[in-house]
Amino acid sequence: KQEVTQIPAALSVPEGENLVLNCSFTDSAIYNLQWFRQDPGKGLTSLLLIQSSQREQTSGRLNASLDKSSGRSTLYIAASQPGDSATYLCAVRTSGGSNYKLTFGKGTLLTVNP
Amino acid sequence: NAGVMQNPRHLVRRRGQEARLRCSPMKGHSHVYWYRQLPEEGLKFMVYLQKENIIDESGMPKERFSAEFPKEGPSILRIQQVVRGDSAAYFCASSPPVWVDEQYFGPGTRLTVT
Repeated sequence: KQEVTQIPAALSVPEGENLVLNCSFTDSAIYNLQWFRQDPGKGLTSLLLIQSSQREQTSGRLNASLDKSSGRSTLYIAASQPGDSATYLCAVRTSGGSNYKLTFGKGTLLTVNP
Repeated sequence: NAGVMQNPRHLVRRRGQEARLRCSPMKGHSHVYWYRQLPEEGLKFMVYLQKENIIDESGMPKERFSAEFPKEGPSILRIQQVVRGDSAAYFCASSPPVWVDEQYFGPGTRLTVT
């Protein structure tokens, strides 16, 4: 059974700092991994999707890496801004018959202080 | 092209009442997924439906919960005789009939049981 863990659970940084969010998963047989952003009381915004054959994806100040063999992914945020404050969720799509299911971590609550 | 729509956005029910949550997928999407986010927990898969078919309901509680996706109209997640433990955010996602990498999420319905 796939399990996804995100560390840390919460992170507070000053504006301008570079930061890394971590995600680990127990079953390395994944189809893809996705990072989402969730604002309080709001839905999910997809940030980056990494296929199992890829090592990283970049979008603006965001860079996500994937090490499938070790069951880890990181989300790197450069030059953080107060507007980046949100909960960041990692989700994996495991290979196999139920590969339509996303398994989510509990998220990292990020606060960027001005 | 409007995104995935869910209504109501907020729903308050007393214990013992019924809750009906609606999800209108993106135009052209015929696959719908429901996820539940309990307080302090990650999103968890509940059910996967295609038009007029339940494909996988392995994440649904055995009693009081049901889901449908009729030929016409939105997908409905129905919770009978709600209890306090049903208080959560319920998210719907959709995808097109051909295989794609992403599921597109709606804004969620926040159910509060008093």
